[in-house]
Amino acid sequence: GAVVSQHPSRVICKSGTSVKIECRSLDFQATTMFWYRQFPKQSLMLMATSNEGSKATYEQGVEKDKFLINHASLTLSTLTVTSAHPEDSSFYICSARAGEKLFFGSGTQLSVL
Amino acid sequence: GQSLEQPSEVTAVEGAIVQINCTYQTSGFYGLSWYQQHDGGAPTFLSYNALDGLEETGRFSSFLSRSDSYGYLLLQELQMKDSASYFCAPDTGRRALTFGSGTRLQVQP
Repeated sequence: GAVVSQHPSRVICKSGTSVKIECRSLDFQATTMFWYRQFPKQSLMLMATSNEGSKATYEQGVEKDKFLINHASLTLSTLTVTSAHPEDSSFYICSARAGEKLFFGSGTQLSVL
Repeated sequence: GQSLEQPSEVTAVEGAIVQINCTYQTSGFYGLSWYQQHDGGAPTFLSYNALDGLEETGRFSSFLSRSDSYGYLLLQELQMKDSASYFCAPDTGRRALTFGSGTRLQVQP
């Protein structure tokens, strides 16, 4: 199956700093990638759709200025959490679709102190 | 809009059979997917039903009834490693998938 790589797997940062998370499709090209966040024991909530070469599409209620998404190439999408606060602490996970399947990165556990 | 319903928790013993139901309401529908997620891990694809009926893949089977807006995941010969969360996700034609609240399956010895 397709492989999606996500880094870092875990990050701890101070409140007010920015954190960048990278998502790469390793063996296929992804014109579109998806960013989800997940709180403990809850479902995956779609945050935004990342589109190669154009602006991301954000879901209702997701602040686009806080969660900056860049999809500069067919294999790389980045999510930057700007001015992170403790309430942004969560599990962030990216995915890309191949056919009817979504392939997920391993996720990033963000802890904001 | 879209709504999804799954049981929040299911408990079963090793070797048993368990069925996880999913009912959905969507404005468009192409098929129903199931994903498994272990604690702390990434979701992994289990199955996709585009047509009515039962599809079997090893110990796992998935069923879809489009007329009833209903599907289920059937897990047979349960093993401890099957303890995980299971999510259904209807394919509405968007490239992204929206997931249900998930069902936590606990397999006991």
